[in-house]
Amino acid sequence: DAGVIQSPRHEVTEMGQEVTLRCKLISGHNSLFWYRQTMMRGLELLIYFNNNVPIDDSGMPEDRFSAKMPNASFSTLKIQPSEPRDSAVYFCASSLQPRQPQHFGDGTRLSIL
Amino acid sequence: AQRVTQPEKLLSVFKGAPVELKCNYSYSGSPELFWYVQYSRQRLQLLLRHISRESIKGFTADLNKGETSFHLKKPFAQEEDSAMYYCALSGEGGKLIFGQGTELSVKP
Repeated sequence: DAGVIQSPRHEVTEMGQEVTLRCKLISGHNSLFWYRQTMMRGLELLIYFNNNVPIDDSGMPEDRFSAKMPNASFSTLKIQPSEPRDSAVYFCASSLQPRQPQHFGDGTRLSIL
Repeated sequence: AQRVTQPEKLLSVFKGAPVELKCNYSYSGSPELFWYVQYSRQRLQLLLRHISRESIKGFTADLNKGETSFHLKKPFAQEEDSAMYYCALSGEGGKLIFGQGTELSVKP
């Protein structure tokens, strides 16, 4: 298995633009987690899904952020409109079930100018 | 409140020296704790899980419920151990609560 696959690896865009980050889960995994990593705040959970259903989105910063799981193996995290303070590395992780070890993707390094 | 504390932002040791990366947690239930490692600009990788009670790359970690700690230890550090280490607690629903991370630097 190729592991969790995220795309793009890097994204540079101007503020106000819509940004879409993508994540492909490991086959057979039922739980999906989106994290954001910054120097100031470290690793923060944004949202997580179990069996395609959002369970906890309390970490989503504001309404500009949204996440979906259109099917069991794929998820998107969208920021619209983007702002410079959204610049960070965004990680996606999946696990077989909740409370099982999570497997992380390589992350998307996002820079909003 | 669920919380993970890693008091040291940076730990610098010489090759061959013992290493202990500290982690304390706050959790009302029965905790599940993990150590993840992130080598330079790479993805986070699971290093240890407390219920496995195993040693990976020479690292061990013991859960001490009395002290609410899960410190990571290695008797002899190697240069390739230099990385960011994150202690994490599995909370409700399986979401991971991470500590702020400790950067381990092993000098030759």
